[in-house]
Amino acid sequence: QLQLQESGPRLVKPSETLSLTCTVSGGSSSSSDSWCAWIRQPPGKGPEWIGSMSSRGNTYYNPSLKSRVTLLLDMSRDQFSLRLNSMTAADTAVYYCARHQGPYSSALDSWGQGTLVTVSS
Amino acid sequence: DVVMTQSPDSLAVSLGERATINCKSSQSVLYSSNNKNYLAWYQQKPGQPPKLLIHWASTRESGVPDRFSGSGSGTDFTLTISSLQAEDVALYYCQQYYTTPQTFGQGTKLEVK
Repeated sequence: QLQLQESGPRLVKPSETLSLTCTVSGGSSSSSDSWCAWIRQPPGKGPEWIGSMSSRGNTYYNPSLKSRVTLLLDMSRDQFSLRLNSMTAADTAVYYCARHQGPYSSALDSWGQGTLVTVSS
Repeated sequence: DVVMTQSPDSLAVSLGERATINCKSSQSVLYSSNNKNYLAWYQQKPGQPPKLLIHWASTRESGVPDRFSGSGSGTDFTLTISSLQAEDVALYYCQQYYTTPQTFGQGTKLEVK
């Protein structure tokens, strides 16, 4: 069964860059152009899609975050990463990685447990 | 952006009764070329990630009890739980994956009356 696990810092200072990694196991993020996504959920709010990346390196970003976001892929380690720069308190949220069922335009059928990232000095 | 608006924000239903959650998109999420609605429903319990229940508006995910069903097309969608069980208490979200950015509704909190 596919499993996704987020890792990275829990506390980030304002203006710094957040770097999170998602490790995919029980399958392969590199098989047949699979797509994975980053989603965040501020405390008490609904989810917000950040962006998606394919195993071939194609990406889609949320325009509201595009200027600050980079998605990266390490196929050799079945990992994909999120970098979000110029962090502010508004970026405090639980960050999830998830897999699309199929191509980019498909639902998200497997999710990591999420990691709470707090932005504070 | 396609705005997804759910109603109601919260809902209290007796055990064994029907629960209905609505989701309205600000533009159609029906792709005419394949006649598919790019709409999903998720269930989220405290401290857990969202869990996919329904995709393509009405296709139940494997392992999801058949008391959960999805319906609707175009801009108006409904998630129905035919007979509420205690374990169904959760937040429910709709999501469109028709266009970028993919967007979620604000959520509906389902409780037992």
